[in-house]
Amino acid sequence: EAQVTQNPRYLITVTGKKLTVTCSQNMNHEYMSWYRQDPGLGLRQIYYSMNVEVTDKGDVPEGYKVSRKEKRNFPLILESPSPNQTSLYFCASSLEGANEKLFFGSGTQLSVL
Amino acid sequence: GNSVTQMEGPVTLSEEAFLTINCTYTATGYPSLFWYVQYPGEGLQLLLKATKADDKGSNKGFEATYRKETTSFHLEKGSVQVSDSAVYFCALSGYYKLSFGAGTTVTVRA
Repeated sequence: EAQVTQNPRYLITVTGKKLTVTCSQNMNHEYMSWYRQDPGLGLRQIYYSMNVEVTDKGDVPEGYKVSRKEKRNFPLILESPSPNQTSLYFCASSLEGANEKLFFGSGTQLSVL
Repeated sequence: GNSVTQMEGPVTLSEEAFLTINCTYTATGYPSLFWYVQYPGEGLQLLLKATKADDKGSNKGFEATYRKETTSFHLEKGSVQVSDSAVYFCALSGYYKLSFGAGTTVTVRA
């Protein structure tokens, strides 16, 4: 089954404790992206990757890192989480770019205490 | 820059009622427009899209027409069902990202 898999679904952590949210897709997609969803704000892009060689910042990259060492994986790293990073996070992928159909993961609800 | 403005919710309807969710956009160039739907506890799914002016996207009884003259992409469904209860997002594409509206929560009562 074609899918984007995110882990974990729920995560509670404390300020400053490094964490990684994993994202993997099995559709051989070139494009991957991370979004955060906050009430009243919709989804805002954190980082995107056009392919394994090109990764760049989105609208709200502060406090986040990503890597794209392989085509299928695009982990989101919070080196020192803070309470304002409490949010619902989604990974998404598509064949070539954001102007095509995006496939979304089921989301990761992160709470930073 | 690109932006999307979506009507605020929540919207509560009875089954078989008509649904309209307004969406207007600001963009440079000729973006594609999308409606995504998020069911409770799930990720977003593409509902429909339109790639150029006057295109009509349709799926599962939902329709939206790309109106360049009014910069709008309103979502409509003639007769909603309880299973249509969800959050609906209007979105506009750049090559590197989608710009989303704030989302409209729709609840359909039996």
